Amino acid sequence: QKEVEQNSGPLSVPEGAIASLNCTYSDRVSQSFFWYRQYSGKSPELIMSIYSNGDKEDGRFTAQLNKASQYVSLLIRDSQPSDSATYLCAVNEVGNEKLTFGTGTRLTIIP
Amino acid sequence: KAGVTQTPRYLIKTRGQQVTLSCSPISGHRSVSWYQQTPGQGLQFLFEYFSETQRNKGNFPGRFSGRQFSNSRSEMNVSTLELGDSALYLCASSLSGSPSGNTIYFGEGSWLTVV
Repeated sequence: QKEVEQNSGPLSVPEGAIASLNCTYSDRVSQSFFWYRQYSGKSPELIMSIYSNGDKEDGRFTAQLNKASQYVSLLIRDSQPSDSATYLCAVNEVGNEKLTFGTGTRLTIIP
Repeated sequence: KAGVTQTPRYLIKTRGQQVTLSCSPISGHRSVSWYQQTPGQGLQFLFEYFSETQRNKGNFPGRFSGRQFSNSRSEMNVSTLELGDSALYLCASSLSGSPSGNTIYFGEGSWLTVV
């Protein structure tokens, strides 16, 4: 069983709409959760980190964490073509620097 | 503030050779991790170093090794290269020990092609 699961997509969203990306994890001791964006041929870029249940907003991005249901999501409001990328969900334990990644969701914003 | 710096960015090696990749973490970061990214396997954890000691290790053969120096800079080495070692090798650094969690930042990566 995969530890971190994401829908691989591709997910196509019209420009200006909300893109919703989901991630589930199996390890209940996971404590830190991250969303990375990766453009083709580039390295992962940290977008959001979330550690507590609930929502965390940063500009057009909102991360949502539900530890009881073991899922974390990322909402992108007012989607722009520049948001087209692969989004990677990653989890780790407090005090443990090892990140476990999902396989990523490829997002395409349609102008 | 400078980010994570990796060298070289691109390299081509022949099967059987060995390669050394270098990483300079963000200033003040003491934890350095290495990841391998391939289209088939995604991002996989290789190992993590803190204060010159390997703290975590992923499921890779002994051909993959690393070390960290007293200035937190790190190197990873792959010996007896195989075609399947062709990948993007990513170095990441973090402050470590932060009570609010360990935010991990990646360098631009080293693209290794084995022919």
